[in-house]
Amino acid sequence: KAGVTQTPRYLIKTRGQQVTLSCSPISGHRSVSWYQQTPGQGLQFLFEYFSETQRNKGNFPGRFSGRQFSNSRSEMNVSTLELGDSALYLCASSWAPPVTEAFFGQGTRLTVV
Amino acid sequence: SQELEQSPQSLIVQEGKNLTINCTSSKTLYGLYWYKQKYGEGLIFLMMLQKGGEEKSHEKITAKLDEKKQQSSLHITASQPSHAGIYLCGADTGNTGKLIFGQGTTLQVKP
Repeated sequence: KAGVTQTPRYLIKTRGQQVTLSCSPISGHRSVSWYQQTPGQGLQFLFEYFSETQRNKGNFPGRFSGRQFSNSRSEMNVSTLELGDSALYLCASSWAPPVTEAFFGQGTRLTVV
Repeated sequence: SQELEQSPQSLIVQEGKNLTINCTSSKTLYGLYWYKQKYGEGLIFLMMLQKGGEEKSHEKITAKLDEKKQQSSLHITASQPSHAGIYLCGADTGNTGKLIFGQGTTLQVKP
């Protein structure tokens, strides 16, 4: 059974640009959550989607957005990139909320220059 | 202060020794997750605990959730170099599916 797949693995973007990251959950899983990991702040929750609906949102500015498609694949978008957006972005897949086993992908390393 | 506190922050042990990592919450834990991470990579799922008093084991790793569901411990028996990495506890404190994480424990195992 394939795991959680995140693409791309690495990205370098310039300040002011926008970026879209993709996450394909484990087959059968309908919930996808996104997290940002930085050395200073650790792992922080961005948002969670279930059945194409955003169920929870973390404390991030509106530049961070996401969506989920009918096949449960999810994308997150960051607009007007800032240097501080450089981070490892991780998505987690679970069967259904709230408390079920959550499996993470390898992450997308975003560097903003 | 952090909602989820892990201790110790780092640990160096000799191969073959046992060790314990603790995770303490200021709120009731609806679900407690343990993950392992190699630097810069994704999180590897180890275990999830839900019920007070629950204990789970996988190979040489055992995790427990205390009766009051506010603290968990991860115990590694007879550590090996392959156990080295960053151990993270994550918790659902609102029964929402949103996880908060501790700051992580970096484990080094010396051969």
